[in-house]
Amino acid sequence: QVQLQESGPGLVKPSQTLTLTCTVSGGSIDSGGYYWSWIRQHPGKGLEWIGHFYYSGSTYYSPSLKSRVTISVDTSKNQFSLRLNSVTAADTAVYYCARAYWEYWYFDLWGRGTLLTVSS
Amino acid sequence: EIVLTQSPGTLSLSQGERATLSCRASESVSSSYFAWYQQKPGQPPRLLIYGASSRATGIPDRFSGSGSGTDFTLTISGLEPEDFAVYYCQQYGPSPSYTFGQGTKLEIK
Repeated sequence: QVQLQESGPGLVKPSQTLTLTCTVSGGSIDSGGYYWSWIRQHPGKGLEWIGHFYYSGSTYYSPSLKSRVTISVDTSKNQFSLRLNSVTAADTAVYYCARAYWEYWYFDLWGRGTLLTVSS
Repeated sequence: EIVLTQSPGTLSLSQGERATLSCRASESVSSSYFAWYQQKPGQPPRLLIYGASSRATGIPDRFSGSGSGTDFTLTISGLEPEDFAVYYCQQYGPSPSYTFGQGTKLEIK
């Protein structure tokens, strides 16, 4: 079955750029019908959607993060990535990649998440 | 942005009891684009309900969802030990954008 796996540095310094990667296995990113998202969860807090893309090239971001976020895809590796600029301690969170089914816009598949800590 | 407010923040119940969790939207949302999730410590959220009332694959029938417009409810009839967790509601709206409620923690009394 399809699985998602996040990977990232674990620790970044303030003002640096964060890059996380989600590897999709057991299925193809460009199979259609699904949008691929990044979502984060601050420690002990709720969930925040960051942005998503469709394999055809459409990309959308949360207005609150839009100025600092880029989501890109490498279909040859079946991976997609999150790039977040100018990080601060407020960006410390568990970052999840997730898949949303286009017709009902629910997240039916999630990665296990990767903790990112922003600290000097 | 549509804000989802969940109540109560914490719900203390015993095994076997019925749990009723509420989610209120700041403006009307499409029932088709409304979902509920369960999250346990150290795990990602798990989809329970989509389209406001449809159970996801493998979800026991003690979980049910209802509601429309701005008021939605998740009901768990006959709590099992594995049901004690945090529950989130989620909606998808124009822009596009997704928003989540702040969560309801269901704890053992």
